[in-house]
Amino acid sequence: KAGVTQTPRYLIKTRGQQVTLSCSPISGHRSVSWYQQTPGQGLQFLFEYFSETQRNKGNFPGRFSGRQFSNSRSEMNVSTLELGDSALYLCATTSGGRAFDEQFFGPGTRLTVL
Amino acid sequence: SQKIEQNSEALNIQEGKTATLTCNYTNYSPAYLQWYRQDPGRGPVFLLLIRENEKEKRKERLKVTFDTTLKQSLFHITASQPADSATYLCALDQEYGNKLVFGAGTILRVKS
Repeated sequence: KAGVTQTPRYLIKTRGQQVTLSCSPISGHRSVSWYQQTPGQGLQFLFEYFSETQRNKGNFPGRFSGRQFSNSRSEMNVSTLELGDSALYLCATTSGGRAFDEQFFGPGTRLTVL
Repeated sequence: SQKIEQNSEALNIQEGKTATLTCNYTNYSPAYLQWYRQDPGRGPVFLLLIRENEKEKRKERLKVTFDTTLKQSLFHITASQPADSATYLCALDQEYGNKLVFGAGTILRVKS
């Protein structure tokens, strides 16, 4: 069974630009969660999608958005990038979308904002 | 305010010893608590889940305890090996929202 894939793996952008990251879940997994990981804040929950609907949202500004497609693939978008958005962005997928389900993480996208 | 606290400093131990990592939480009432391992440049990998009505869970050299009175989970690795060196994260479910909240993680270094 193929694991969770994320593209691209690395990105360098400048302030003010926007970026789109992609996450392809394990086959059959319908829940996709996105996290931001930084050395200072650790893993911070961004949002979760299940069957194309956003079910949960973390405490991030509206510049962070996402969506999920009918094949469960998900994208997240960050507009008007700021230096503080530099981070490792991880997606995690589960089969049932319940909080106690084992989360399968992708390798992450390393975003650097200059 | 809600907090999850893990050992802020790295834990350095000798190969063959037991490593014990701590996860304390405040103002949460989790029904489940999970432990993950993360290697540099990689996503976390699930290790163990323990439910609120379970005191202890084991898997090979790993053992997790969950004390809802103390609001604490302990994660033990027995007979530790250099390959166990990694960052270990605890995560618990929020009462509302069906989502996981992660601690900052503890770096474990096992020296041969």
